[in-house]
Amino acid sequence: RKEVEQDPGPFNVPEGATVAFNCTYSNSASQSFFWYRQDCRKEPKLLMSVYSSGNEDGRFTAQLNRASQYISLLIRDSKLSDSATYLCVVNFIDTDKLIFGTGTRLQVFP
Amino acid sequence: GAVVSQHPSWVICKSGTSVKIECRSLDFQATTMFWYRQFPKQSLMLMATSNEGSKATYEQGVEKDKFLINHASLTLSTLTVTSAHPEDSSFYICSAKSGRGVETQYFGPGTRLLVL
Repeated sequence: RKEVEQDPGPFNVPEGATVAFNCTYSNSASQSFFWYRQDCRKEPKLLMSVYSSGNEDGRFTAQLNRASQYISLLIRDSKLSDSATYLCVVNFIDTDKLIFGTGTRLQVFP
Repeated sequence: GAVVSQHPSWVICKSGTSVKIECRSLDFQATTMFWYRQFPKQSLMLMATSNEGSKATYEQGVEKDKFLINHASLTLSTLTVTSAHPEDSSFYICSAKSGRGVETQYFGPGTRLLVL
């Protein structure tokens, strides 16, 4: 079983739509959680951290359920520029290692 | 934000040659750098953790004699793919930490390697 699992997509949505991505992780020792964005042939870039209480950054909302070992990302009012692959990332206690999911591809069309 | 560079950005080489990739932190000192590899449509996989002045720590399944890592200074780490073969063709990405916490890990732009 992969340590971090995501639906690979692609998710094809029209501009203005709301889209949600899910992620599950297998190691209960996971301490920190993140969503990264990766454009084609580019390096990943940190989108937002994910906190237990849930957090929001503009059109993006992230949620964490530690009991279910489940993370989500909600994007509201999708823009064409949101088209990218969204990577779910976890970090274990006492280590700087990042464990990446395979990513969920989002394509926003006009 | 902090800037990390990689050189070269892409390289094409013949099978059997060795390829060196440089990772530099341009505006901060990085005691720890990480090397990742990403195959098409797959996740980034951590290959090794590189600490300045000490031997790199390799992840399970990564051959340390094939992927030589040198972290000679606080701003430079190099990855050498020795005797490269077509199956080594991949996107190699480094990251460098500028401080404590995962949020201080910054990624380089990556190096695309194609071995013919």
